[in-house]
Amino acid sequence: AQKITQTQPGMFVQEKEAVTLDCTYDTSDPSYGLFWYKQPSSGEMIFLIYQGSYDQQNATEGRYSLNFQKARKSANLVISASQLGDSAMYFCAMREPRDDKIIFGKGTRLHILP
Amino acid sequence: ETGVTQSPTHLIKTRGQQVTLRCSSQSGHNTVSWYQQALGQGPQFIFQYYREEENGRGNFPPRFSGLQFPNYSSELNVNALELDDSALYLCASSLGWQGLNTEAFFGQGTRLTVV
Repeated sequence: AQKITQTQPGMFVQEKEAVTLDCTYDTSDPSYGLFWYKQPSSGEMIFLIYQGSYDQQNATEGRYSLNFQKARKSANLVISASQLGDSAMYFCAMREPRDDKIIFGKGTRLHILP
Repeated sequence: ETGVTQSPTHLIKTRGQQVTLRCSSQSGHNTVSWYQQALGQGPQFIFQYYREEENGRGNFPPRFSGLQFPNYSSELNVNALELDDSALYLCASSLGWQGLNTEAFFGQGTRLTVV
């Protein structure tokens, strides 16, 4: 069963607009961690933001925030005031305590238009 | 820059050959994970090494093997290369078992093409 689902293969957004990238996950473990990574064309995975399953507040890192809805098993990434440099692939990922591996979704390709 | 370096950055091999990819982990990190990312897909977990021992493996055949050295650097070896092995191979280092929010730092990847 797919653990991480990203339903938006691609998105086009006007520069300076806010953008929401969708992510749903599946786990039976009450303890888990959720991540968002950015992958530019160079290939490197760049960590953006983390949310723990027991965290009471939504995580924020600069222009990035994670809209965590635990009951819905949803962890959407919100980028405020998008910039041209935000154009990249974005991956939602999860880590469970039973092992240390990170499970990735298929990604969303974000295009920021000038 | 994460401090995780991978070599080589690009590689072309012939079907049936063997390849070794290398990863130098971030200083102090004792856990290295390897991922395969096919074109247009998310990374798939291959295996993980913690203090020189394999402690997790994904759904990859035995011809994918690895090593971790005392300095925590790592190698990924693939024998009998197949065309479907063409992918970006990512290495990630972390402080294993330090908590769920242990960030994994990724290298820039090795792009392998099998012809």
